[in-house]
Amino acid sequence: GAVVSQHPSRVICKSGTSVKIECRSLDFQATTMFWYRQFPKQSLMLMATSNEGSKATYEQGVEKDKFLINHASLTLSTLTVTSAHPEDSSFYICSARDPQGRVSEQYFGPGTRLTVT
Amino acid sequence: AQSVTQPDIHITVSEGASLELRCNYSYGATPYLFWYVQSPGQGLQLLLKYFSGDTLVQGIKGFEAEFKRSQSSFNLRKPSVHWSDAAEYFCAVGAANSGYALNFGKGTSLLVTP
Repeated sequence: GAVVSQHPSRVICKSGTSVKIECRSLDFQATTMFWYRQFPKQSLMLMATSNEGSKATYEQGVEKDKFLINHASLTLSTLTVTSAHPEDSSFYICSARDPQGRVSEQYFGPGTRLTVT
Repeated sequence: AQSVTQPDIHITVSEGASLELRCNYSYGATPYLFWYVQSPGQGLQLLLKYFSGDTLVQGIKGFEAEFKRSQSSFNLRKPSVHWSDAAEYFCAVGAANSGYALNFGKGTSLLVTP
């Protein structure tokens, strides 16, 4: 099956710094990637939809200037958490949609656990 | 508004007993339905999915789910639970009119007792 990777798997950063998370589709080209956030003991919430070559679409309540998403190629999307604060500590999961597959087929990365101290 | 409801926050079953996890959805468009499992500190693993066709779907690890359009439900079942099935289970729904992004239920935490 299709594989999606995320890097790093874990990151600890100091408050006020920025962190970049990469999401890669390893064996297919993903025209659309999604970023989700999961707080402890909670469900996954969609943050934004990223389409290759265009600006990301953010969900209501997600600050686009704080969570910068870039989808510059068909295999890579990045999420940059700018000026991170402890409340941004969360599990960030990306997924990638394979346009060649079934209409709603998407594949999830293993997630990145961000801890802001 | 589109929504996914998992009515049971926690479920406890004895090892070897049968299991049913409930999922109800409210979607205006034709939904695509998924069940995922997540162990603590881990990512998501897809158990099964329904796009169209046969409404009884077989998945991995002995799980199955049945799509009932009239009840707007997609309940997950397993005839005999193993201790290793203890985890968090998420029902998710997507649709073409939302760009196929998934809307997740709040999850059901499964505890398996000896």
